[in-house]
Amino acid sequence: DAMVIQNPRYQVTQFGKPVTLSCSQTLNHNVMYWYQQKSSQAPKLLFHYYDKDFNNEADTPDNFQSRRPNTSFCFLDIRSPGLGDAAMYLCATSINRVQETQYFGPGTRLLVL
Amino acid sequence: AQTVTQSQPEMSVQEAETVTLSCTYDTSESDYYLFWYKQPPSRQMILVIRQEAYKQQNATENRFSVNFQKAAKSFSLKISDSQLGDAAMYFCAYMTGGGADGLTFGKGTHLIIQP
Repeated sequence: DAMVIQNPRYQVTQFGKPVTLSCSQTLNHNVMYWYQQKSSQAPKLLFHYYDKDFNNEADTPDNFQSRRPNTSFCFLDIRSPGLGDAAMYLCATSINRVQETQYFGPGTRLLVL
Repeated sequence: AQTVTQSQPEMSVQEAETVTLSCTYDTSESDYYLFWYKQPPSRQMILVIRQEAYKQQNATENRFSVNFQKAAKSFSLKISDSQLGDAAMYFCAYMTGGGADGLTFGKGTHLIIQP
C-alpha cells in the first residue's frame, strides 16, 4: 500500500548531539511537510518542500534544517538538540499545496537526555 | 495569523450514541479549507472530513458530518452511531486557499467511547 513511513519511531539523543529523522513516501506526492507536536499541544508546521523548493516557517528555529534529496525522501536535521526539542515529529505529504488532503506518517518521538 | 480553538480537551460518549466536537477558528481570509483529522493511539493521523469555505452545504462522510457556520467561524464535527474504533484524538485544522502555510491545528479533543 502507498504510504508515508517514518524512521525510527522512537529516537533518543543527547543534549547537543546532532540527530536526523527520516521520512519516505510511496505516494509520489510533490509536497512534503514536517510538523512538531509537543505534549498536549497542536502540531506546528516547521517547513515544507514543494518539489525541490524549500519553504521555512518564519518562527522555525535555525537549529532545525531539512533535506530532500529526491521525491521519495525527506530528512529533518536537528543540529544541537535541546531539552525543549523533545516532541513528536510528524511528516506529511500532499499532491500539491492548495486544498489537497495531507497524508501523515506515524511520527517519530524524540527524547533528549 | 490564523488560530484554531478546540475548547473540549476530552469528550466521552456511549457506544451507538451521537457526539459533537466543537471547533472555532479566526481568520481574515475568504478562501480557506477546514479539516477534521483523527489520530488513534500510536497510529498516524488520518483525514476524517474536509470542507471548502466557499461551499454552503455541510460536508458528510458516512457517520461523520460537520456543521459549518461561516459567519460564526465555527466548524463542529458530529459523529453518529459512535463505535469503539472512533476512540482517538480529533484535530480540527485550517488551511488558507493558497496552502503555502500548511495546516494550522487546534489542540485536539480526546474522544472516549464507553462500551
